[in-house]
Amino acid sequence: DIQMTQSPSTLSASVGDRVSITCRASQTIRSWLAWYQQKPGKAPKLLIYKASTLENGVPSRFSGSGSGTEFTLTISSLQPDDFATYYCQQYNRQFTFGPGTKVHIK
Amino acid sequence: EVQLVESGGGLVQPGGSLRLSCAASGFTFSDYWLAWVRQTPGKGLEWVANIERDGSVTYYLDSVRGRFTISRHNAKNSVYLQMNSLKAEDTAVYYCVRDVKGGHFDHWGQGTLVTVSS
Repeated sequence: DIQMTQSPSTLSASVGDRVSITCRASQTIRSWLAWYQQKPGKAPKLLIYKASTLENGVPSRFSGSGSGTEFTLTISSLQPDDFATYYCQQYNRQFTFGPGTKVHIK
Repeated sequence: EVQLVESGGGLVQPGGSLRLSCAASGFTFSDYWLAWVRQTPGKGLEWVANIERDGSVTYYLDSVRGRFTISRHNAKNSVYLQMNSLKAEDTAVYYCVRDVKGGHFDHWGQGTLVTVSS
């Protein structure tokens, strides 16, 4: 099984900050990685797939990078609507999600 | 607009059965894989099963294989999850998701809560 880890588990930031979240896979997943945003009481929302491809309608302040075993989600200028929990997910072999990173207001 | 609407969740005793349904609209149903993903506070998000466009291929999480069955009815734009021999650890919110070519999940339903408890 491919295990996914994320760091940090929580992140305090202010509006306008640049924030980055790291996701690591226990073995190579090439570029088969997606990022999701989830708000309380809501379903996850796809942000990025294939490591760096922005889903239609997702603001360009979100970007993804990486390949192999290490990946990064970056929000270039944090907006009030971005305070949420973010999950990575590999789909190289079956599907595994990371434990999540909660971004909250400093 | 793509919509996925789950139903069928509820309270069930350990060892019992439950069938979840998901009604889809807003896209050509038979063109897409579908999947079920569950979420608990303790284990986070966990893929459960997915099914190929014509239903000929299915995959399962190891811990549910042999107990859960995913199926679909393309004429009814619906996907199902039959859950048998339920355990307390199956307690979760279950999401119906649209699966892009057996990869990432681009649309999610609102979720349905399954509680396994005596």
